[in-house]
Amino acid sequence: EVQLVESGGGLVQPGGSLRLSCSASGFTFSNYAMHWVRQAPGRGLEYVSSISSNGGTTYYADSVKDKFTISRDNSKHTLYLQMSSLRAEDTALYYCVKGTYDFWSPYYDYWGQGTLVTVSS
Amino acid sequence: DIQMTQSPSSLSASVGDRVTITCRASQSISTYLNWYQQKPGQAPKLLIYRTSSLQSGVPSRFSGSGSGTDFTLTMSNLQPGDFATYYCQQTYSIPPTFGGGTKVEIK
Repeated sequence: EVQLVESGGGLVQPGGSLRLSCSASGFTFSNYAMHWVRQAPGRGLEYVSSISSNGGTTYYADSVKDKFTISRDNSKHTLYLQMSSLRAEDTALYYCVKGTYDFWSPYYDYWGQGTLVTVSS
Repeated sequence: DIQMTQSPSSLSASVGDRVTITCRASQSISTYLNWYQQKPGQAPKLLIYRTSSLQSGVPSRFSGSGSGTDFTLTMSNLQPGDFATYYCQQTYSIPPTFGGGTKVEIK
């Protein structure tokens, strides 16, 4: 059974930093691209970032480019999202999502339950 | 970025109804269109991928169609568990983008 468990969310002040983690199990983690998608309270889904299976290729939404860094440790089956220069508009539930191929994902087949990031003073 | 527009943004329906949701892309996305269902307090769940392929375990009363810029999700014989918010997503180009969602409520 595929499981994605996010952690690392919490309350952070504007301008602060936070690192999210996603522990994966139930599939061969190193074979698949992984993604982060966020959802602000009461709002829709917003793509954040992607990383290829070997970590060699990354993509970011314009809204987080130069602020967030996605990475992965295939030996630990863990995906990360380093977030810096956080602003109120980054407040959201952050979902870790499994991709469907090694480089890009035509669809997202498994989602974690999310970790909440709140940016507020 | 490709903009995805869903309509309606919300609708009311009864158990047993047939419901259609529309998703329009700002440019052609071939058939790179997915549908997700999200219930309150839960993560999104993949329903349909590549326009019309049913994800494993999804009931056959869900169906999808379309190509290019116009797509539909149809739910026949609506069941109590189908009342949720539905999102379309294009993966034709980077960044992948989602529609604003359609909330299906009980009439």
